[in-house]
Amino acid sequence: DQQVKQNSPSLSVQEGRISILNCDYTNSMFDYFLWYKKYPAEGPTFLISISSIKDKNEDGRFTVFLNKSAKHLSLHIVPSQPGDSAVYFCAASARGTSGSRLTFGEGTQLTVNP
Amino acid sequence: DGGITQSPKYLFRKEGQNVTLSCEQNLNHDAMYWYRQDPGQGLRLIYYSQIVNDFQKGDIAEGYSVSREKKESFPLTVTSAQKNPTAFYLCASSPRDREGYGYTFGSGTRLTVV
Repeated sequence: DQQVKQNSPSLSVQEGRISILNCDYTNSMFDYFLWYKKYPAEGPTFLISISSIKDKNEDGRFTVFLNKSAKHLSLHIVPSQPGDSAVYFCAASARGTSGSRLTFGEGTQLTVNP
Repeated sequence: DGGITQSPKYLFRKEGQNVTLSCEQNLNHDAMYWYRQDPGQGLRLIYYSQIVNDFQKGDIAEGYSVSREKKESFPLTVTSAQKNPTAFYLCASSPRDREGYGYTFGSGTRLTVV
C-alpha cells in the first residue's frame, strides 16, 4: 500500500524555467510534509517542509504548495538551475504515530538542461 | 562537526554470508532509522529505534536485524535470509520529541552480493 506517490519518475526542464514536482498521498492522518533532494551515491538532504495548517511555504527559489482536500502537494523551483538536477523525494508523517516516522514517495529525477 | 557516519561506503558480500553495516551519529538524536533504496521504489523503512535498547520493524524487516546498545550507534545486519540484499542502504536520525521533524541522513552504503 503506497501511501505517498510520486507518479512522475522523471522531469526535464530548461534552465531558468519553472520545475513543478508533484506528490499525492492517501493517508488523511498525515499532517507534516517534507521534500528531500538526493544526489547519486549520497544521502538525501532536507529541502523544505510544510505543516497541514498551511497551504504554502516558500524558501528562496523553492515553494511547496499543499492542497489537503485533494491530498496533493507540489514543489515549485523557480528559476531552475543545472545544480538542481537530482532525485526529489516527497515524505509525510502523522502526529501521534511512533516517533517522527516518515513515509517516502518513489522519487522524481529532475534534469535541468543548460 | 555533527552528523551521521555510515561505513563502509561500498560492501561486497558472498551469497550465504551475513554482513553488518555501521551507522554512528553525534547529533544527540534519540531516534534512528534504516532505509533501503531500490530503483523506482523510493525509500523503504527496514527498522527504526526511538530509544536505546528498543527498536521496531519497519515495512521490509525480513532478513535484517538491528541492535541499539548505545544512543550513538544503530548497526544493521543483513542476514543470509534476505533474498535480494543488493541495494543502497541509508541510515538516518531525528530528535524523538519533535513530531514531524525531518531526518538527517548518512551518505549511504552500497551493498552488492557477488
